Amino acid sequence: DQQVKQNSPSLSVQEGRISILNCDYTNSMFDYFLWYKKYPAEGPTFLISISSIKDKNEDGRFTVFLNKSAKHLSLHIVPSQPGDSAVYFCAAFGQGGSNYKLTFGKGTLLTVNP
Amino acid sequence: KAGVTQTPRYLIKTRGQQVTLSCSPISGHRSVSWYQQTPGQGLQFLFEYFSETQRNKGNFPGRFSGRQFSNSRSEMNVSTLELGDSALYLCASSRPGTGFTGELFFGEGSRLTVL
Repeated sequence: DQQVKQNSPSLSVQEGRISILNCDYTNSMFDYFLWYKKYPAEGPTFLISISSIKDKNEDGRFTVFLNKSAKHLSLHIVPSQPGDSAVYFCAAFGQGGSNYKLTFGKGTLLTVNP
Repeated sequence: KAGVTQTPRYLIKTRGQQVTLSCSPISGHRSVSWYQQTPGQGLQFLFEYFSETQRNKGNFPGRFSGRQFSNSRSEMNVSTLELGDSALYLCASSRPGTGFTGELFFGEGSRLTVL
């Protein structure tokens, strides 16, 4: 049972445009959400997070939006740069983190074309 | 500051063999987690250790085990390897502090191929 779903395996955008990566979750106990970025031959790196008490968090070119009623979150990258080309994973945890476990989606490969 | 170090980076085993993977967390980090990454399933949680204690285990068979040493270094072991165990095994550590934040620092992974 996939509790965190990234339905788009890949996304291609032009440099300078907006990239929007989507993520849906089914577990209503999740109350904290994160995005990780992964380049080939490297481990994932933390990008940005959001608590369920917020609906938006911004960090430079990266903004995460959370719609709790729809159990949906999205990552916006504006403007997109070729160096943003990577696999992006959505992740979530709940119960205040008491189980020390992240549940990940399967990832979306973002390609930013120059 | 050195990152999370995993060894070996690549290894090839045959079915039925066993394998041990090692992870050294960032200095000062005491929590170590392990995740399995496969193309079809994404990243799946294996286990988490803190101060030599396993605090949680994912939904994997008993062939998958791990441990943590007093210096926070961790190992995971997979016995009686199956073809489906071929994957990238990722270790991550997290900053000491108050509670789990989800912000993990991952190593580059150990790529296991089972033939």
